[in-house]
Amino acid sequence: NAGVTQTPKFQVLKTGQSMTLQCAQDMNHNSMYWYRQDPGMGLRLIYYSASEGTTDKGEVPNGYNVSRLNKREFSLRLESAAPSQTSVYFCASTSPGTRNTEAFFGQGTRLTVV
Amino acid sequence: GDSVTQMEGPVTLSEEAFLTINCTYTATGYPSLFWYVQYPGEGLQLLLKATKADDKGSNKGFEATYRKETTSFHLEKGSVQVSDSAVYFCALSDRSNTGKLIFGQGTTLQVKP
Repeated sequence: NAGVTQTPKFQVLKTGQSMTLQCAQDMNHNSMYWYRQDPGMGLRLIYYSASEGTTDKGEVPNGYNVSRLNKREFSLRLESAAPSQTSVYFCASTSPGTRNTEAFFGQGTRLTVV
Repeated sequence: GDSVTQMEGPVTLSEEAFLTINCTYTATGYPSLFWYVQYPGEGLQLLLKATKADDKGSNKGFEATYRKETTSFHLEKGSVQVSDSAVYFCALSDRSNTGKLIFGQGTTLQVKP
């Protein structure tokens, strides 16, 4: 039972390079999320997808794009990486609207932009 | 907008000590409240939750009570172990049914033998 799987686990980019972070979940959840974690700031929502075919901005969407490819997969793209995007990125999934709603998180992608 | 504030860390305790990590929130309506834990090198996992006022969430010896009058959800454990060393996040989910979480800053706990 894999849960939420993110790839890659680590990445170093040069300023201006692009990359896509991949996320897949096998729990049949409707909603998926991308958060970034920075020291002293907790996790902040970048984008989320309430269901297949829909995406919405979160708190810190600038510099990112997302694609909800199907119910399982939700990718995050950095078109032109900047040092300010150095962070740890977490993908999460859940099916909100139930009393037992719990978000499940991937293990994270540690991204360094130099 | 909605927000969560946690006590500053890091917190260093000896094994078997009592733990309290303070968490207060600002939100419209009646959010659900959560504590997530992040062990070294891992993603976050749910520790406990409460969905309405006066609810007490509990798991693995940890407890937190949803206090509407003080807008608080403090995490407590009577006797910590070295294996409890981790980063703890308080979070809220509003009533919009989107599942979006708003997190506090996180509190690092180190337990020494």
